[in-house]
Amino acid sequence: GENVEQHPSTLSVQEGDSAVIKCTYSDSASNYFPWYKQELGKGPQLIIDIRSNVGEKKDQRIAVTLNKTAKHFSLHITETQPEDSAVYFCAARRPGNQFYFGTGTSLTVIP
Amino acid sequence: DTGVSQDPRHKITKRGQNVTFRCDPISEHNRLYWYRQTLGQGPEFLTYFQNEAQLEKSRLLSDRFSAERPKGSFSTLEIQRTEQGDSAMYLCASSLASMNTEAFFGQGTRLTVV
Repeated sequence: GENVEQHPSTLSVQEGDSAVIKCTYSDSASNYFPWYKQELGKGPQLIIDIRSNVGEKKDQRIAVTLNKTAKHFSLHITETQPEDSAVYFCAARRPGNQFYFGTGTSLTVIP
Repeated sequence: DTGVSQDPRHKITKRGQNVTFRCDPISEHNRLYWYRQTLGQGPEFLTYFQNEAQLEKSRLLSDRFSAERPKGSFSTLEIQRTEQGDSAMYLCASSLASMNTEAFFGQGTRLTVV
């Protein structure tokens, strides 16, 4: 099956700085890569996703990049705000299959 | 509210008791997933349905776990003879079955086995 690795496990940034979280996957057939934000006691919330036919996608302060050759993808958050503090999970999925999740990155934005 | 709904939000049970959780997916979604999440970990796949058919089960899903989706709408996850190791957040997600569509999660059911 798929194996998704995520780094770093914790990340602290000053408010206004950028944050980058990286994931690698093992299954070359995976073609859909969502990112989820999870706040304490809540379910994961989809914040952005990318499909394998696209190299980069941006939504306001959030962007995701995908390198299919290297089998890695990254989440970029610019101009971080305290409300960005949460745990972020990457995931990968083959067509018609289940999602495989990384182990999460706890992001703290220091005011 | 048109999101994924899970009930109950919290459940405390004594070891050895049976528990049942319910998930109501987004109404037009035909695929439904169950995941388990322990503290500090990412969600781990348990099982998923397409309509009423259970298409895949994880090895994590022991014989004490059973899931149903009888009419292809809501789903239930039952754990029999609960053990302390079953304490976790149980998450439900739903999506459309067509390729590469988003999956949306509910708020989860937090199970504590004492």
